[in-house]
Amino acid sequence: AQTVTQSQPEMSVQEAETVTLSCTYDTSESNYYLFWYKQPPSRQMILVIRQEAYKQQNATENRFSVNFQKAAKSFSLKISDSQLGDTAMYFCAFVPNRDDKIIFGKGTRLHILP
Amino acid sequence: DGGITQSPKYLFRKEGQNVTLSCEQNLNHDAMYWYRQDPGQGLRLIYYSQIVNDFQKGDIAEGYSVSREKKESFPLTVTSAQKNPTAFYLCASSIIGGQGGQPQHFGDGTRLSIL
Repeated sequence: AQTVTQSQPEMSVQEAETVTLSCTYDTSESNYYLFWYKQPPSRQMILVIRQEAYKQQNATENRFSVNFQKAAKSFSLKISDSQLGDTAMYFCAFVPNRDDKIIFGKGTRLHILP
Repeated sequence: DGGITQSPKYLFRKEGQNVTLSCEQNLNHDAMYWYRQDPGQGLRLIYYSQIVNDFQKGDIAEGYSVSREKKESFPLTVTSAQKNPTAFYLCASSIIGGQGGQPQHFGDGTRLSIL
């Protein structure tokens, strides 16, 4: 079975610090897609970043970047210069190639402290 | 602006009652999805539809039903057979095709509680 594991249920960091959220996944697929979604207290799910497995280059979006290690099946999210508005639940998600069903991890609750 | 509208934001169900959650999108997306979110859990897929008049069960379909009569609409009915319906429900949509792996866009959710 394909699974996504987020080993950190909850984390807290000071504003302006850098934080890394971990995610590992299990699949026998060779090509797939990985996502990080953010769910702030408003509960809306917001796409943070998307990575295609066949691309070696790590995806970046402003202060958000990933460390994609395909052999290790690891997909961590780094948030630089963290801001209070980054406080949210973060979900790692996986989609096998040419499939449209997303498999979500259980999430990491991130608190940015002033 | 294009997006996904879920209504109502809060819903209360009496014992033995069926309730319907609305989901409408104007993104012209082919696929639509319903998820359930419980505290400490990720999102679990209830039903999904990739084309009008067709839908498939997800991981936790028991006690739920859906319809897809229009591309824009994908209502979810929580039936009396669902014994533990209290949860946060999220609707999503996405494009299908291309190389796959299209991101899903989400509505703001409906919180359902038992009276």
